Amino acid sequence: QLQLQESGPGLVKPSETLSLTCTVSGGSLSSNNHYWAWIRQPPGKGLEWIGTIYYRGSTYYSPSLKSRVTISVDASKKQVTLKLRSVSAADTAVYYCAREESFYDNSGYFHHGAFDMWGQGTMVTVSS
Amino acid sequence: QSALTQPASVSGSPGQSITISCTGSSSDIGTYNLVSWYQQHPAKAPKLIIYDVTKRPSGVSDRFSGSKSGTTASLTISGLQAEDEADYYCCSDARQTLSNVIFGGGTKLTVL
Repeated sequence: QLQLQESGPGLVKPSETLSLTCTVSGGSLSSNNHYWAWIRQPPGKGLEWIGTIYYRGSTYYSPSLKSRVTISVDASKKQVTLKLRSVSAADTAVYYCAREESFYDNSGYFHHGAFDMWGQGTMVTVSS
Repeated sequence: QSALTQPASVSGSPGQSITISCTGSSSDIGTYNLVSWYQQHPAKAPKLIIYDVTKRPSGVSDRFSGSKSGTTASLTISGLQAEDEADYYCCSDARQTLSNVIFGGGTKLTVL
């Protein structure tokens, strides 16, 4: 059964770079129809999409975070990595990785589908 | 881009039905049939319960159903059970000039 597991530091200092890894087990990361996303949830608040990557490296980022985010993939290790630069207290959140069902339509436009599997999430606090 | 609009809370008694609305715009819900719904219990990861507006993943109870009219999507839970008490989030593909995904602010369901 496919499982996703987030890992990384639980505490990051302001202005530094947050770096998290999502490891996929029990299945393939290199599936034609599946993409891999990062989503976060500040304490007591709602969900926010950060970005999505395909195993071949295509990336799609939230317009509001695009200037600070890089998502990369290592298919051989079945890992997806999130880097968020210049963090502040506003970036304190539980960070989830999720599998995404997405596709290109007949016009060549990319569409985000549902997030059908999620990791358990990892809490990251930004504080000095 | 603004979040989709959901009521902050809804409640119902066991056995009753409730509906949670999710209002968007012509740039998201109104254009694409890519609305999904997630159930989140406290301190747990979200769980997909509805995708593509009306479809249920394998293993999700048929007490959960989804629909859409114009720029508003809805999640209906029939035969409320105590374990349905959770937060519920809607989500939609939202492509303007750039690829985007937007979530609703979430709705707290209380089973009385």
